[in-house]
Amino acid sequence: DSGVTQTPKHLITATGQRVTLRCSPRSGDLSVYWYQQSLDQGLQFLIQYYNGEERAKGNILERFSAQQFPDLHSELNLSSLELGDSALYFCASSGGGQGLYEQYFGPGTRLTVT
Amino acid sequence: AQKVTQAQTEISVVEKEDVTLDCVYETRDTTYYLFWYKQPPSGELVFLIRRNSFDEQNEISGRYSWNFQKSTSSFNFTITASQVVDSAVYFCALSASYGGSQGNLIFGKGTKLSVKP
Repeated sequence: DSGVTQTPKHLITATGQRVTLRCSPRSGDLSVYWYQQSLDQGLQFLIQYYNGEERAKGNILERFSAQQFPDLHSELNLSSLELGDSALYFCASSGGGQGLYEQYFGPGTRLTVT
Repeated sequence: AQKVTQAQTEISVVEKEDVTLDCVYETRDTTYYLFWYKQPPSGELVFLIRRNSFDEQNEISGRYSWNFQKSTSSFNFTITASQVVDSAVYFCALSASYGGSQGNLIFGKGTKLSVKP
């Protein structure tokens, strides 16, 4: 158990809908990262937050957004969903400064868009 | 640009065989970090090791060992006396140590290891 929790574990929704994925980092970790894993693209970095502030953006679509709250949990919002958004979404957290430490991953949320 | 290449898509071995998973990386940074993660069939990503670019010492942890060679930009992973429980997809990853992309992991495509009894 990495100490990172993600909910829900599975999500099935229809095209055009909006969903929210939730992540709680390990106790004491200030950095939260979101990654997408799909068969086509592999594991891709989406976005990073550090202590409530956005630090870096990767290949994140404009239809996707995220935030980190004062209690350090994070949410990833996916809107206007398309079939191609079906993937496994991971949250990871790390301690220390801006990610110099290893990232521990949550169990992932499997999103299926029908 | 940063890139990680895992040329071996799938490897199949028989239990107790040794197996080496290859990882080659590209970066223009002088300092960076390299990682290996394991993804068993259950789907979670399990951290195995982090290596700093300025530390070329090889590392051994039980049946696992890692060989980091900066001259060839490689960070290979060897499992000695493989076991069925080692069956998983293994990912090599790279991150910058400074700048805007600091901490963000660039993953290879992964190597699927199947260990047969």
